[in-house]
Amino acid sequence: GNSVTQMEGPVTLSEEAFLTINCTYTATGYPSLFWYVQYPGEGLQLLLKATKADDKGSNKGFEATYRKETTSFHLEKGSVQVSDSAVYFCALSDDGGATNKLIFGTGTLLAVQP
Amino acid sequence: DTAVSQTPKYLVTQMGNDKSIKCEQNLGHDTMYWYKQDSKKFLKIMFSYNNKELIINETVPNRFSPKSPDKAHLNLHINSLELGDSAVYFCASSFLGGLREETQYFGPGTRLLVL
Repeated sequence: GNSVTQMEGPVTLSEEAFLTINCTYTATGYPSLFWYVQYPGEGLQLLLKATKADDKGSNKGFEATYRKETTSFHLEKGSVQVSDSAVYFCALSDDGGATNKLIFGTGTLLAVQP
Repeated sequence: DTAVSQTPKYLVTQMGNDKSIKCEQNLGHDTMYWYKQDSKKFLKIMFSYNNKELIINETVPNRFSPKSPDKAHLNLHINSLELGDSAVYFCASSFLGGLREETQYFGPGTRLLVL
């Protein structure tokens, strides 16, 4: 079945460092891909998304490109801030849109130190 | 304006009890979902309703019974609570089908602790 694999955390960075969180997927068809962020004690917020190959999603300085050839959707940010500390989830929308079911990766905890 | 809201935010109860969690969305969406997040932060879909019709029913104990009285509400009733039911339960909503944006929007979660 379809699945998402994320790099394990925690990822600990100093402020202004470059961030990469790897995400690869296995899917039949052409799923949409998402990054969601969960700040401490809160629910999930959509960070960015891409719906087809070579699309780049971007928001708040974060970017991810839908790479069909490598089945990847890595999250990047050029300069992280303490306020970016959160758990980041990569997800795909399963089953061609029939039910819009989201399949999540295991989440990656990012801790940014001042 | 809260888009997807859940009540209660926290729920502490004894094993064997029956409890309900409520979810409401004011985004005009036609599809709602329940997800469970375990202690390791892993998220998994449980149920989904589209226009009050059940469309996703993952392998979940039948002690869990969702109910959607209308498109804007999706409740989750849990019978005979067990220790392993302790988790954070997230409600989400979206459009489904057609040319509409299908991004799911999540509620703040209900933190259930079974003692």
